[in-house]
Amino acid sequence: GAVVSQHPSWVICKSGTSVKIECRSLDFQATTMFWYRQFPKQSLMLMATSNEGSKATYEQGVEKDKFLINHASLTLSTLTVTSAHPEDSSFYICSASPVDETQYFGPGTRLLVL
Amino acid sequence: AQSVAQPEDQVNVAEGNPLTVKCTYSVSGNPYLFWYVQYPNRGLQFLLKYITGDNLVKGSYGFEAEFNKSQTSFHLKKPSALVSDSALYFCAVENNFNKFYFGSGTKLNVKP
Repeated sequence: GAVVSQHPSWVICKSGTSVKIECRSLDFQATTMFWYRQFPKQSLMLMATSNEGSKATYEQGVEKDKFLINHASLTLSTLTVTSAHPEDSSFYICSASPVDETQYFGPGTRLLVL
Repeated sequence: AQSVAQPEDQVNVAEGNPLTVKCTYSVSGNPYLFWYVQYPNRGLQFLLKYITGDNLVKGSYGFEAEFNKSQTSFHLKKPSALVSDSALYFCAVENNFNKFYFGSGTKLNVKP
C-alpha cells in the first residue's frame, strides 16, 4: 500500500510554455501533498504544501505565480510550471500524506526546458 | 532552526566490508528519523525509520540505523556492502508538523 505516482516521468518543453505535473495517491486518500525540487547532486527542497480544498502554502523564495499548485481531490495534486525557462529545469518530486501518517514519495518528474 | 547534516559528500567502501553513512540532526521536539535511497533519475525509496523504542532500527536490504539521542545522530549502517548499494542516501527528519527536512545527501560508492 501507500503508493504515490507522478505523471509524466519526464518532460521536455520549449521556453515560455507551461507544464503540468500530476501527483496521485493510488491507494489512500491524501489530505496533504508536498512538492519538492531537486537540483543535480543536491538535496530535496520543499517548495510548497497543499491541503485538499485549500490554497497551497509556499516556502520562502518560491514564486506562487510561477509554480501553481492545485489539490482538487484527496488523490490528486498538480504542479504547473508557468512560462517555463531553462532555470526551471529540475527534478520535481511530490509526496502525499494520509491523516496522521508520514509522507510517501512519488518517483519524480524530470523537467527539461529548452 | 531545524537542520539535518550529512557530513560526508561521498563514502567509498569495498564490497563485503561494513559501511556507515553519518547523519546528525537539530530539530525541536521528538522528531521521526528516516533514511532514503535514491538511484539516478529515480525518486526516493524508503529504507527505514525511527519513531520510538529500540534505538537500533532494521530496514530494507539489510540496512540498519542507530538512534543516539545524546549525540543527536542517526547513522546508517550495513554489515556487508554490495556493489548494488551504490547510490545516493538521504537522511531526513519529520517534525511534529509533518514537515520533512533533508540532509544534503551522501553518495555511496561500493567497489568490487
